[in-house]
Amino acid sequence: EDQVTQSPEALRLQEGESSSLNCSYTVSGLRGLFWYRQDPGKGPEFLFTLYSAGEEKEKERLKATLTKKESFLHITAPKPEDSATYLCAVQVRGSGSRLTFGEGTQLTVNP
Amino acid sequence: GAGVSQSPSNKVTEKGKDVELRCDPISGHTALYWYRQSLGQGLEFLIYFQGNSAPDKSGLPSDRFSAERTGGSVSTLTIQRTQQEDSAVYLCASVQSSGKDEQFFGPGTRLTVL
Repeated sequence: EDQVTQSPEALRLQEGESSSLNCSYTVSGLRGLFWYRQDPGKGPEFLFTLYSAGEEKEKERLKATLTKKESFLHITAPKPEDSATYLCAVQVRGSGSRLTFGEGTQLTVNP
Repeated sequence: GAGVSQSPSNKVTEKGKDVELRCDPISGHTALYWYRQSLGQGLEFLIYFQGNSAPDKSGLPSDRFSAERTGGSVSTLTIQRTQQEDSAVYLCASVQSSGKDEQFFGPGTRLTVL
């Protein structure tokens, strides 16, 4: 069975304190790994798609990386507006294009 | 441009009643997905429509759940004889084409079954 596990469940940082969120996956064949950001009361907002091990993508203070077993979302010098729940999802070969999501990491950045 | 819209934003119903949730995808997007997000759980796939192909219904939790997509655009998710465990946020997403493209999500409908 395809599984996506995110850690930690919750993370509190001080403004400017860099850290990483982890997404480990066990799937039969990875087509793509997606990162989304979700603010309270809103739908997930797309951040990145990674397709192969070694791939990296960046956007402002966020950088996503991918290995054969896990992905990291690195947050450099976070600001309070980066506070949100970050969701990781995988698209698996042979399962159409549906996404299988992890339970998310709730990030709080204090000023 | 306009994103994915969903209505209603909130729905409170009594156990045993039927409910209909609506999704308006981004214009021109060919694929549409429904997911459910329960408290403390990740998003759970429900159903997927791609063009004129038969929908992938493999995620629907019971035969009380059904969905249709009319004219390749608007979709309606229907839950019959609602139960308290159906309480969740129901999210719709659309994709420009099938494959690896990112899914754009609507704001969701929060369903509460009393």
